[in-house]
Amino acid sequence: AAGVIQSPRHLIKEKRETATLKCYPIPRHDTVYWYQQGPGQDPQFLISFYEKMQSDKGSIPDRFSAQQFSDYHSELNMSSLELGDSALYFCASSPSRGPFYEQYFGPGTRLTVT
Amino acid sequence: GIQVEQSPPDLILQEGANSTLRCNFSDSVNNLQWFHQNPWGQLINLFYIPSGTKQNGRLSATTVATERYSLLYISSSQTTDSGVYFCAVGYTGTASKLTFGTGTRLQVTL
Repeated sequence: AAGVIQSPRHLIKEKRETATLKCYPIPRHDTVYWYQQGPGQDPQFLISFYEKMQSDKGSIPDRFSAQQFSDYHSELNMSSLELGDSALYFCASSPSRGPFYEQYFGPGTRLTVT
Repeated sequence: GIQVEQSPPDLILQEGANSTLRCNFSDSVNNLQWFHQNPWGQLINLFYIPSGTKQNGRLSATTVATERYSLLYISSSQTTDSGVYFCAVGYTGTASKLTFGTGTRLQVTL
């Protein structure tokens, strides 16, 4: 079965640079979520999109922005990168919005900021 | 917000042993999922179980929603079961996000 695709899988950036992470949801899933997992921590919710509109927002820094496109893929844009942004970034998708749907997670993008 | 606690925080087992992991949550939930994070960092969906009991091979899970806890059972553990097990919950008050517990780190030895 098709899974959530994330690219790139690994990314190394320097401080103050920008990064773009991409997420391709499971076909026919219209809801996308982004989570950030710092070293030794549990994943924390950043932002979600339903039918190309922002649905819910967590502790996402103002330096980060995201959007969902007409083909339902999503991109997380991160500017002025800081050392503390080094983390695993997961994208998840579900068949629709709301807590009654299982979220399926992608393999993650490991971002290292030097 | 909702609090999610997992126990034990760490667990070391010999191969072939059985174990029970617990997840307690502080409010009513509409979504409860169990994940296995392998040593490479991938989050593997194990169960979507807001209530009831499910089994998948050597793994099974039970959620008692009225008492606000869920259990994950691992039988005949294997070294490939090593990693961190997370439970995560969602409820209508937060639209769609999952709130994760702090995880149980499992190490299975030969």
